[in-house]
Amino acid sequence: SYVVTQPPSVSVAPGKTARITCGGNDIGSKTVHWYQQKPGQAPVLVIYYDSDRPSGIPERFSGSTSGNTATLTISRVGAGDEADYYCQVWDINSEHFVFGTGTKVTVL
Amino acid sequence: QVQLVQSGSELKKPGASVKVSCKASGYIFTTYAMNWVRQAPGQGLEWMGWINTNTGNPTYAQGFTGRFVFSLDTSVTTAYLQISSLKAEDTAIYYCARANGPISSGVNLWGQGTLVTVSS
Repeated sequence: SYVVTQPPSVSVAPGKTARITCGGNDIGSKTVHWYQQKPGQAPVLVIYYDSDRPSGIPERFSGSTSGNTATLTISRVGAGDEADYYCQVWDINSEHFVFGTGTKVTVL
Repeated sequence: QVQLVQSGSELKKPGASVKVSCKASGYIFTTYAMNWVRQAPGQGLEWMGWINTNTGNPTYAQGFTGRFVFSLDTSVTTAYLQISSLKAEDTAIYYCARANGPISSGVNLWGQGTLVTVSS
């Protein structure tokens, strides 16, 4: 089955930019979504179809894919962005989703 | 109000069965597929599969075949997850999660989660 990896943690200073990666074989040719999950809460979709933002999600959140890496970028990070972030990849061959391992973002 | 409301927490003994419900409201139930996602304590998200709410056809992820069954009752706009022969490792929060559009489009609506605890 398709394997997707994320760094366990990313630390960033307030006001700076956080970049969270999601690695998988030829992930640039697949569909990638990103979710934010805060403790005790259900996940929230922050990016879908690689780079689209749902309504209500700040422009500070952006996504991109290329080659074997998808990236979620959070600009001007604030304390409210502290959360776990998961990528989700649609494998069209199996018609299955796979979640990444998750990345904990800490705001210093 | 568009929402998914799940049934309450369950405490079950090993070998028992459990059925989790997910009541949808505020939208046309058969328009969007329903995913099921598991999250073990302190762990990440696992996609369990999805059910086509128009046809009732389920698709199960690897590792979720055999003991796991997705079903629907469209008359009450409710999706169900049944797990049989429960094991301690099934202890987790189970989420129903509505597709954003086509099944490949991700999830934009989540239930609040149902904690299933399996313990003797």
